[in-house]
Amino acid sequence: NAGVIQTPRHKVTGKGQEATLWCEPISGHSAVFWYRQTIVQGLEFLTYFRNQAPIDDSGMPKERFSAQMPNQSHSTLKIQSTQPQDSAVYLCASSLDPGGDYTFGSGTRLLVI
Amino acid sequence: QQKVQQSPESLTVSEGAMASLNCTFSDGTSDNFRWYRQHSGKGLEVLVSIFSDGEKEEGRFTAHLNRASLHVSLHIREPQPSDSAVYLCAMSITSNTDKVVFGTGTRLQVSP
Repeated sequence: NAGVIQTPRHKVTGKGQEATLWCEPISGHSAVFWYRQTIVQGLEFLTYFRNQAPIDDSGMPKERFSAQMPNQSHSTLKIQSTQPQDSAVYLCASSLDPGGDYTFGSGTRLLVI
Repeated sequence: QQKVQQSPESLTVSEGAMASLNCTFSDGTSDNFRWYRQHSGKGLEVLVSIFSDGEKEEGRFTAHLNRASLHVSLHIREPQPSDSAVYLCAMSITSNTDKVVFGTGTRLQVSP
């Protein structure tokens, strides 16, 4: 079991460019979560899926952020027209059961310059 | 929405001394509490899950939950330098959702 895999580990984009982050959850886990982590805000919930269906995207900045889960083996978080304030570590997690322990990936460190 | 405050923000203890971390939450509707640890540059790993008032031990890590006082704590017995990390408490927002809210974290430094 390789755990939750996130790619890339690091990404640098210019302001206004698009960034796509990938997450491969643990096989068999039915829920996938996206969080954003910064020094100032800590861990902020963005969105999650259960059985590939979007359940709650209340943490997503509406205009430029989108997330998808086209199949049970991966999810993507896309940020259009990136801004410096989007710089953060983006963490993906998966869980087996409702309310179960999360297993986190190592994160993607996004830097927008 | 559930708010979670952690204290202290940072803590330094000597190797072998007990480390105690605290977490308070804004209302008692959650029934699902966890402590996670995050080493620098890594993802989070779950340490202890606790779902009812009282104590839950996982190796050197013991969580205490008191919902009446809106408080959950983590005690680390005989901490090692390898335990130096950020510790985050997490709780589900309600009992019928997967989503959790995390505290702001306590940075623990264990000195040899």
